[in-house]
Amino acid sequence: AQKVTQAQTEISVVEKEDVTLDCVYETRDTTYYLFWYKQPPSGELVFLIRRNSFDEQNEISGRYSWNFQKSTSSFNFTITASQVVDSAVYFCALSEAEETSGSRLTFGEGTQLTVNP
Amino acid sequence: GAGVSQSPRYKVAKRGQDVALRCDPISGHVSLFWYQQALGQGPEFLTYFQNEAQLDKSGLPSDRFFAERPEGSVSTLKIQRTQQEDSAVYLCASRRFVRESGELFFGEGSRLTVL
Repeated sequence: AQKVTQAQTEISVVEKEDVTLDCVYETRDTTYYLFWYKQPPSGELVFLIRRNSFDEQNEISGRYSWNFQKSTSSFNFTITASQVVDSAVYFCALSEAEETSGSRLTFGEGTQLTVNP
Repeated sequence: GAGVSQSPRYKVAKRGQDVALRCDPISGHVSLFWYQQALGQGPEFLTYFQNEAQLDKSGLPSDRFFAERPEGSVSTLKIQRTQQEDSAVYLCASRRFVRESGELFFGEGSRLTVL
């Protein structure tokens, strides 16, 4: 069975601080994908990044960066110089590779990030 | 529209009523998913369609839940004899391809409250 754990339920920071959201996953698949989604108050899940299990290179996109480490089954997300607009719930997710399941996502429970001015 | 559209956005039902939630995926998207998101929780998988075929319904919590996608585009999630524990946001998502080679697009969800 697949599982995603986001141990941080809530994080509160002051604007311009850096913040890291932790994600630990469990899977028996050798091929899998990891994701981060942002859920603002409107409710729609916004895609941020997808990584496959064979690509452990870290990625940076503007103020966002991701650290994927297979050795510790972790896929952490860092926001540099946080802004109030970053306030949202962030979900880490894992997808299976089976065609019959459509590569469905297994989500963590989310981390509520609040950035205060 | 350009995105995944869900209706109604909000639904209040009395316990025991039947409800129907609609999802209009992005045109041409083969894969369609329904997820249930309880308050303060992550989305949980309900069911998956590949075109009109429902290939996986292992996440449906009971036989009161039924989903269909008869023409491979619009999908409806029906909940019969609603219970209070059915209160949640129901999210629909679509993907252009079958395998994980494309982004999964989510709608804004339908928030169901059962009184």
